[in-house]
Amino acid sequence: AQSVTQLGSHVSVSEGALVLLRCNYSSSVPPYLFWYVQYPNQGLQLLLKYTSAATLVKGINGFEAEFKKSETSFHLTKPSAHMSDAAEYFCAVSEKNQGGKLIFGQGTELSVKP
Amino acid sequence: EPEVTQTPSHQVTQMGQEVILRCVPISNHLYFYWYRQILGQKVEFLVSFYNNEISEKSEIFDDQFSVERPDGSNFTLKIRSTKLEDSAMYFCASSETSGPGANVLTFGAGSRLTVL
Repeated sequence: AQSVTQLGSHVSVSEGALVLLRCNYSSSVPPYLFWYVQYPNQGLQLLLKYTSAATLVKGINGFEAEFKKSETSFHLTKPSAHMSDAAEYFCAVSEKNQGGKLIFGQGTELSVKP
Repeated sequence: EPEVTQTPSHQVTQMGQEVILRCVPISNHLYFYWYRQILGQKVEFLVSFYNNEISEKSEIFDDQFSVERPDGSNFTLKIRSTKLEDSAMYFCASSETSGPGANVLTFGAGSRLTVL
């Protein structure tokens, strides 16, 4: 069965510092991988997706993630945090050809200090 | 930019009452989904819907739950007799069926259900 683990339910960084949010997955077949962001009182917004093309995926708002099959990881990074990046971030996995059945991690709340 | 619209944004109901949560998916999307997030827990898949029938459902989606596409634009989730543990944020989502948008879900802002 698929599962997603996000290390750290809460990450705090200073403005301008590197953001690193960790995600590890388990899947019996090559997966699709996603990062979603949820701002307060809003829905889940897609940040980026990996669908077996380039392993380094660039998303919106300066975020990127790298698919590492050997490590079963899909960590999210941003070189320089901005105050507006404060939100909850969710990693999700789905198997190919399984439609929209996403398996989500538990989420990581990112705080950005001035 | 096209968006998924959900109503109501917040509903409070008494245990045992029926609740209908409504969603308007993106107009050219043909796959529809409901997910829920109990406070402090993961976002969980409930059901997917395509071509006017359920394509997959989770163990959570028992006989108390049903989905319907009553017309060409709405997609509803009905809970027949709500329980306290149904209190959660319910998210509707939709996606294309093929091409680069397949498997990419667009989520609504959610409907918060509180069962007293």
